[in-house]
Amino acid sequence: QLGLTQSPSASASLGASVKLTCTLNSGHSSHAIAWHQQQPEKGPRYLMKLNSDGSHIKGDGIPDRFSGSSSGAERYLTISSLQSEDEAEYYCQTWDIGIVVFGGGTKLTVL
Amino acid sequence: EVHLLESGGGLIQPGGSLRLSCAASGFTFSNFGMSWVRQAPGKGLEWVSAIGATSDVAYYADSVKGRFTISRDNSKNTLYLQMNTLRADDTAVYYCAKYFASGSPPFDYWGQGTLVTVSS
Repeated sequence: QLGLTQSPSASASLGASVKLTCTLNSGHSSHAIAWHQQQPEKGPRYLMKLNSDGSHIKGDGIPDRFSGSSSGAERYLTISSLQSEDEAEYYCQTWDIGIVVFGGGTKLTVL
Repeated sequence: EVHLLESGGGLIQPGGSLRLSCAASGFTFSNFGMSWVRQAPGKGLEWVSAIGATSDVAYYADSVKGRFTISRDNSKNTLYLQMNTLRADDTAVYYCAKYFASGSPPFDYWGQGTLVTVSS
């Protein structure tokens, strides 16, 4: 069954880097995913589509500080030079014909 | 600039019906699939339904199948979600989202959402 797992929380210091992980369920390691950011009290914002080979297509206006990579069934979002506005919930998303699945989200705290 | 604006949310009693709308602008609406995603208070994102660019296909999450109907009017650049037999656990902010490519997720633009509260 198609599914995604994310750690519930992460934290990093202002100006540092952080790497968030999204893991695809067994049997779906070749699936592409997308990363979305949701700042407090706002709608989600598309960050990037991330393929199994690590190639990614970012959304309009997404800074270079946001990058993606892949390894096996794991998909990563790396945010460098952390800023206060990066404190948000980060969701990964995948899909197949007739179904869309979201991970549970990772709440990122910028210290 | 792509813009998605949801409307139609509100307070509704259990068992009632509500129709949500999503007005789209800034792109050729008839070329892209669209979707509804909801978020219960304090919870994560839950996909609800999706529809093809020409209404050729429609998909639903098991939690809403048989109660919700997605539709679109390409002449009005508007997406709809007809919600019937509403339950307390349908309470959520409902977002509309645009497909990244004509026939495939992910979603590259989101609206700001409309709140649906199901309560007596």
